[in-house]
Order: sequence, then C-alpha cells, then structure tokens
Amino acid sequence: AQKVTQAQTEISVVEKEDVTLDCVYETRDTTYYLFWYKQPPSGELVFLIRRNSFDEQNEISGRYSWNFQKSTSSFNFTITASQVVDSAVYFCALSENTNAGKSTFGDGTTLTVKP
Amino acid sequence: GAGVSQTPSNKVTEKGKYVELRCDPISGHTALYWYRQSLGQGPEFLIYFQGTGAADDSGLPNDRFFAVRPEGSVSTLKIQRTERGDSAVYLCASSLTSGGRDTQYFGPGTRLTVL
Repeated sequence: AQKVTQAQTEISVVEKEDVTLDCVYETRDTTYYLFWYKQPPSGELVFLIRRNSFDEQNEISGRYSWNFQKSTSSFNFTITASQVVDSAVYFCALSENTNAGKSTFGDGTTLTVKP
Repeated sequence: GAGVSQTPSNKVTEKGKYVELRCDPISGHTALYWYRQSLGQGPEFLIYFQGTGAADDSGLPNDRFFAVRPEGSVSTLKIQRTERGDSAVYLCASSLTSGGRDTQYFGPGTRLTVL
C-alpha cells in the first residue's frame, strides 16, 4: 500500500528565511512518481513538480529546490528566501506505476510566512 | 488554455437529498479523477476514468456515491441520500493519460455542505 507522511503540520517563518518541508513516502513499487502541490488560501491545488523514482537528481527552480533520496524514501522541498506569497498549504503526493491514476496525498504542511 | 472547471463552486443541501457535481476537464485529457478533501487533510482518492469507463472506483465510500463520464469528457459525481459526513470539498483533476507519471491538474473544487 502506498502512503505519504508530512510530519510537519504547521510551520511559521519570517520573510527571507529558508524553510524545508519534509515528505516521507512508502511504496512497494520500484517505479513510482512523486509530486508537490501548493494550495493557497483561494483553495485551488497548483502543481509544482513531478519526480520519477529512477531520477534522483535534485532540482532547482528559482527559489524552490527539491531533494529526492530513495535511500531514506524522502522527497523534501526547500523554499529559499521565503516571501509572504509563499504562505499556503503544501502537499506531497505519490503515484505508483502499478496503481496508475490513484495518487495518495499527505495531509499537508501549512506554511505561514510573516512579513 | 482553459483549466479544469467545476460547477457549482458551492452547494448547500439538506440531509437525505440528492446532489450532482460536475467536472469539465482540460481539453484533450483522457483521464479524469475525483477526490474528496476534508478540512485539514489532503485529497482522498474516490474514482478515476480512462475515457468513458471507470478504471478504478475503489475509493468510493459506499453505494450512495456514483460517477459517470458518458462521452469521455465531462463527468458528474452523484451522491444519493446525502449525509452530514459527506460535507467536504470535492476536487476534480485531469491528466493527459492515466499513467502514474502524468501530472494531474486540479479544478477549484465544489464545496458541499450537508445540513
């Protein structure tokens, strides 16, 4: 069975601080896909990144970076120099290759960035 | 291009009533998904369609829930004899295909309140 754990329920930082959101997953598949979504107060889930299980390269996109480590089953998300507009709920999700279509989400981390 | 749209955005109904929630996916996307999100939790998978057929309905909580996608595009989630516990935000997503690798793009959701 697939499972995603986001242990941090809420995080609060001051603007310009760096912040890392943790995601730990469980799966029996050797091929799977990991995702991060952002859900701002408006409510719509916004796709941020997708990572394949066979590609452990870390990725940087502007102020965002992702650290994928299969050895620890983790896919952590770092925001550098946080801004007030980064305030949102962030979800990590997992899709297994043998269970195509059925994504499992963590319960999310609520990030508050204070000015 | 247009994203996933959902109607209505809000639905208030009384216990025992029947409701229909509509989802219009991104044009050209063959796979369509329904999720339910309760307060403080991540989206929970309900059902997904590949084309017109329900490929996996294992997330539907009971037989009061049913979904259709008769022409392979628009989908309707139907809930009979609504209960207060059905209150949640119902999210629809679509992807190019149903492979786990394909990113699911979400609509704004329908907030269902059962009084």
